[in-house]
Amino acid sequence: ETGVTQTPRHLVMGMTNKKSLKCEQHLGHNAMYWYKQSAKKPLELMFVYNFKEQTENNSVPSRFSPECPNSSHLFLHLHTLQPEDSALYLCASSQGISGDSYEQYFGPGTRLTVT
Amino acid sequence: GQSLEQPSEVTAVEGAIVQINCTYQTSGFYGLSWYQQHDGGAPTFLSYNALDGLEETGRFSSFLSRSDSYGYLLLQELQMKDSASYFCAVRDSWGKLQFGAGTQVVVTP
Repeated sequence: ETGVTQTPRHLVMGMTNKKSLKCEQHLGHNAMYWYKQSAKKPLELMFVYNFKEQTENNSVPSRFSPECPNSSHLFLHLHTLQPEDSALYLCASSQGISGDSYEQYFGPGTRLTVT
Repeated sequence: GQSLEQPSEVTAVEGAIVQINCTYQTSGFYGLSWYQQHDGGAPTFLSYNALDGLEETGRFSSFLSRSDSYGYLLLQELQMKDSASYFCAVRDSWGKLQFGAGTQVVVTP
């Protein structure tokens, strides 16, 4: 257990559905991240939040909408996804984004399949 | 552009030593991290190098040469449980990580 939980662990959705992924960290960290991991590809950073403020949007399509209501919770709202969006979505947290805050703690991920 | 290169797969026997190389071309380099990921699991942090030299943590060691834009992860006394994917990742000054594609390490009896 890394102190970062994600729900659901598996999700199958149609292209017209709307769903949300949830991430919660119990580590007292101030920064949270969303990554996408597709087969045979590097982890891709999607969004970064620091003290609830979005500091990075890595050219992610608008069908992915993040929300960070507080430093412990992070959501990824999904709508009108495409089959190529099927992947493992990982949440991570760190103490901060600068200085000695180099270690990121990852959740187990949500395996998303878009049909 | 920015890129990280690491081998796609390495196979070795139990008790052996494996070195996973990582070369990078990035802007705003701050440090090099290594993560381990077992099948179906979350990536877990192994080590971090911000300065040149070798960092040792038990059976795993990591090395960085900033002038050569090169680093490696050394796995010693390999065990079956070390079978996993290993990712190098460059950290920039804003805390962002850019990951390599990963090296699948297969440990055989």
